[in-house]
Amino acid sequence: DIQLTQSPSFLSASVGDRVTITCRASQGISSYLAWYQQNPGKAPKLLIYAASTLQSGVPSRFSGSGSGTEFTLTISSLQPEDFATYYCQQVDSYPITFGQGTRLEIK
Amino acid sequence: QITLRESGPTPVKPTQTLTLTCTFSGFSLSTSGVGVGWIRQPPGKALEWLALIYWDDDQRYSPSLKSRLTITKDTSKNQVVLTMTNMDPVDTATYYCARKLSRGGPFDIWGQGTMVTVSS
Repeated sequence: DIQLTQSPSFLSASVGDRVTITCRASQGISSYLAWYQQNPGKAPKLLIYAASTLQSGVPSRFSGSGSGTEFTLTISSLQPEDFATYYCQQVDSYPITFGQGTRLEIK
Repeated sequence: QITLRESGPTPVKPTQTLTLTCTFSGFSLSTSGVGVGWIRQPPGKALEWLALIYWDDDQRYSPSLKSRLTITKDTSKNQVVLTMTNMDPVDTATYYCARKLSRGGPFDIWGQGTMVTVSS
């Protein structure tokens, strides 16, 4: 199985801050990586797929980069609605796996 | 508009078999490349992928749960059914179904989830 390790697991930041979340894969997954945002009690929402492609309707302050084993999700200027938990997911091979999540909270 | 909705019983008793139904609209599971998967999330924990079925009836399972899972589709009813045998309290979780547009693609649309509690 391909393991995905996100860092940090917890992040405290302020509105307007620029934040970066990292996802490292235990083996190369090309660009088969997606990022999701999840608010409490809600289903995950797709933000980015193919490592860097923004899903339709997602604000441009979200961006993704990386390939192989290291990936990043960047939020350029945090908005109040961005405080949530973020997950990476690989779809390179089965079993599909998710990272453990990064909880982003307001400082 | 594309929607998916999960339904199933709760609570479920230990050792029972869980049957979850994902009813969807706005797309067809007979369209080339399309798949529907199941993902669960125990309270306060991370997401865990369970199973996936594609338009061509290709079925994929999490190796750790493969012996307990069966996924099927009914294209005419726009439904995907997941059965999980021998339920245990550790299977208590919110269960989501989600659409996948291609084998290398993400889950782009998710259902709201259904909370399943396993308790005697």
